[in-house]
Amino acid sequence: EAQVTQNPRYLITVTGKKLTVTCSQNMNHEYMSWYRQDPGLGLRQIYYSMNVEVTDKGDVPEGYKVSRKEKRNFPLILESPSPNQTSLYFCASSLSPTGSGNTIYFGEGSWLTVV
Amino acid sequence: AQKVTQAQTEISVVEKEDVTLDCVYETRDTTYYLFWYKQPPSGELVFLIRRNSFDEQNEISGRYSWNFQKSTSSFNFTITASQVVDSAVYFCALIEPTNAGKSTFGDGTTLTVKP
Repeated sequence: EAQVTQNPRYLITVTGKKLTVTCSQNMNHEYMSWYRQDPGLGLRQIYYSMNVEVTDKGDVPEGYKVSRKEKRNFPLILESPSPNQTSLYFCASSLSPTGSGNTIYFGEGSWLTVV
Repeated sequence: AQKVTQAQTEISVVEKEDVTLDCVYETRDTTYYLFWYKQPPSGELVFLIRRNSFDEQNEISGRYSWNFQKSTSSFNFTITASQVVDSAVYFCALIEPTNAGKSTFGDGTTLTVKP
């Protein structure tokens, strides 16, 4: 079954404690992306990756890091989380960024609370 | 710079009514891609449709239809004979190939369908 898997789904952490949200897809997709969703602000793109070892900033990259060492995984790293990073996070993947020839798949979301 | 506006923050209808969700976009590119996504109360994101700027044909999928008009920079989404299960937040999004990888979402429209 085609899917994008995010972990953890729910996390409460403390300010400054490094955490990683994992994202894995099983469709051999080249394109992966991270978004955060906040009330009234829709989805905002954090980082994206066009392929292995190719990553770039989205609209709100501050406070986040990513890596793409292998095609299937695209972890989101919060080196020193702060309360303003409390949000719902989504990972997405597709064959290409424009979704041509394929559906765009999203993970189920990760609720992150930083206290 | 790309921008997506969903002016309707919330819409409430009674079951079986038709409802149209508006999406207006801004882009300097002649080639671009538009998307609609659904986020039901359970929180997951579901990809509904992708449309490229060269294809102005309207699309119908069951009770869903999309009207793309380049002249007014709009990509509106109509649900015919709405059902309670259509209650969700709907997002419109834009990707410019010259900015490949970056996607811009509208703030979303919350649709409530009452029985």
